[in-house]
Amino acid sequence: GAGVSQSPRYKVAKRGQDVALRCDPISGHVSLFWYQQALGQGPEFLTYFQNEAQLDKSGLPSDRFFAERPEGSVSTLKIQRTQQEDSAVYLCASSPRDRDEQYFGPGTRLTVT
Amino acid sequence: GESVGLHLPTLSVQEGDNSIINCAYSNSASDYFIWYKQESGKGPQFIIDIRSNMDKRQGQRVTVLLNKTVKHLSLQIAATQPGDSAVYFCAERKGGNKLTFGTGTQLKVEL
Repeated sequence: GAGVSQSPRYKVAKRGQDVALRCDPISGHVSLFWYQQALGQGPEFLTYFQNEAQLDKSGLPSDRFFAERPEGSVSTLKIQRTQQEDSAVYLCASSPRDRDEQYFGPGTRLTVT
Repeated sequence: GESVGLHLPTLSVQEGDNSIINCAYSNSASDYFIWYKQESGKGPQFIIDIRSNMDKRQGQRVTVLLNKTVKHLSLQIAATQPGDSAVYFCAERKGGNKLTFGTGTQLKVEL
């Protein structure tokens, strides 16, 4: 079946622009996660949804970062007034139920110039 | 070939040899551990996982060993193949849902 998909795969933004990154989880998966991966580093947790409820947003680095999952399926990660330090790969993962194995998408590479 | 912790970011092995990738985790309260493989330009791909009530788990060509006494996790890959070349990450979960990843080890398989 289809895995986790993310779009766009690549995004270049000028500093100060707003961006929106989309994640389509595996159909029926309850849990959805966003991670940020800097070059040469492991992914770092940003936020977690169970269905439409955002249960943990402790990893969001600033109030410029906002995530939503209004209908419990597709999720959007929005970054306002992008800064150069926001340049990274943003990974989305989903799992069938709480605390199950997480399946990752291919990521969106964001470059802020 | 063998790496120690995640301080050696690159491990080179000959095709057909066994590989051992090591990981020191941080939290003794972690209850779940997982190894991911990440190829260039792709997202992490699940390899094998283990819960804290186990000390060994085997999959196809891979084995994960967990030593809770010294907070050490290792991934053994038997008969390493060129397709195994990638960055390998260990991750731990501390009772919640989010995973905490290590910095990764680059595995290079030489022909």
